[in-house]
Amino acid sequence: GENVEQHPSTLSVQEGDSAVIKCTYSDSASNYFPWYKQELGKGPQLIIDIRSNVGEKKDQRIAVTLNKTAKHFSLHITETQPEDSAVYFCAASTSTRGNQFYFGTGTSLTVIP
Amino acid sequence: DAMVIQNPRYQVTQFGKPVTLSCSQTLNHNVMYWYQQKSSQAPKLLFHYYDKDFNNEADTPDNFQSRRPNTSFCFLDIRSPGLGDAAMYLCATTPGQGYNEQFFGPGTRLTVL
Repeated sequence: GENVEQHPSTLSVQEGDSAVIKCTYSDSASNYFPWYKQELGKGPQLIIDIRSNVGEKKDQRIAVTLNKTAKHFSLHITETQPEDSAVYFCAASTSTRGNQFYFGTGTSLTVIP
Repeated sequence: DAMVIQNPRYQVTQFGKPVTLSCSQTLNHNVMYWYQQKSSQAPKLLFHYYDKDFNNEADTPDNFQSRRPNTSFCFLDIRSPGLGDAAMYLCATTPGQGYNEQFFGPGTRLTVL
């Protein structure tokens, strides 16, 4: 089965700096890679995703890159703000019936004002 | 405009007393998932439905059951909650086969006394 590893587990940055979170996956059949932001006491919220036919995707201050050959993908947040503080999860999925999602272990991001 | 709704948001039960958690969706999605999330951990898939087809994870305890009476609703039944079942329970949906975004509900925080 799929195994998703995520690093680092905790990350502290100064407001305005960039934050990078990295994930690796093991199953070459995985072709959809979402990133979720989870605030305390709330459900995960999709913030950006990337599909295997794309190498990079950007949405304002957030970007995701995918290297299919190396089986890794990364989340980049630029110009971080205190409200970016949360736990971030990466996941991998295949476009098969039922779509199982395999989650990384999460990164707790703290943006220091 | 809530799309995945979970009730209640907080549930307190006694050790061994059956409890039912509810999830409903307004998205008309084919797939519904139940995850268990413990503190500082990634969501752990318990089971999912593709339409009426039930798919149980191999390591989901028999204590956990699920029902999906129609497209919109899905229930998680915990027959005899133990202290170790205290967690956040997350419901999620995807449209079905293909590249799919997964939408999460806000979760139900279960406390076992």
